[in-house]
Amino acid sequence: AQRVTQPEKLLSVFKGAPVELKCNYSYSGSPELFWYVQYSRQRLQLLLRHISRESIKGFTADLNKGETSFHLKKPFAQEEDSAMYYCALGNAGGTSYGKLTFGQGTILTVHP
Amino acid sequence: ETGVTQSPTHLIKTRGQQVTLRCSSQSGHNTVSWYQQALGQGPQFIFQYYREEENGRGNFPPRFSGLQFPNYSSELNVNALELDDSALYLCASSLDRAEFFGPGTRLTVL
Repeated sequence: AQRVTQPEKLLSVFKGAPVELKCNYSYSGSPELFWYVQYSRQRLQLLLRHISRESIKGFTADLNKGETSFHLKKPFAQEEDSAMYYCALGNAGGTSYGKLTFGQGTILTVHP
Repeated sequence: ETGVTQSPTHLIKTRGQQVTLRCSSQSGHNTVSWYQQALGQGPQFIFQYYREEENGRGNFPPRFSGLQFPNYSSELNVNALELDDSALYLCASSLDRAEFFGPGTRLTVL
């Protein structure tokens, strides 16, 4: 069975501090990992995905298959990063995609 | 912005009733998925439709059913509503292996 664990429900940091949101997954197939973000009063939106290997808004995430982790990192947090962050797991194999399994989310608060 | 829209925004029903939620995705997005998000939880996959056929289902009973239409709109139907069905229902259309979400419909079952 697929499972995504985000161990921290709440995470508080000060502006300019590094931030790491943890995500661990359990999946027997070929995983496809995503980070979604939900800002206040906005819809859920894609932040980044592991196959792109890109940095969005200063955030990066590396898929570590050995540790089954996909932690989200940013070296210098900004107040506008305050939001709910969800890690999500899909199936990278074949033509079957989507059908995401989400973690419970981490609320990030960046203090001035 | 992917332009996924959902209606209605909010809905109140009583236990035992039936409800239909609607979603409209962009032209060319031929895959649509529905998710249920209970308060304080992450979204949970209900089912997916691809070219008007069900293409995978999560752990939801048959009273949750759906339809997808040729004009890229879709519906989620829930029969015999229960109190635990109260949640935010999200529609997502897929492009390039990523899901793009609508704003959701907040369903309250009394």
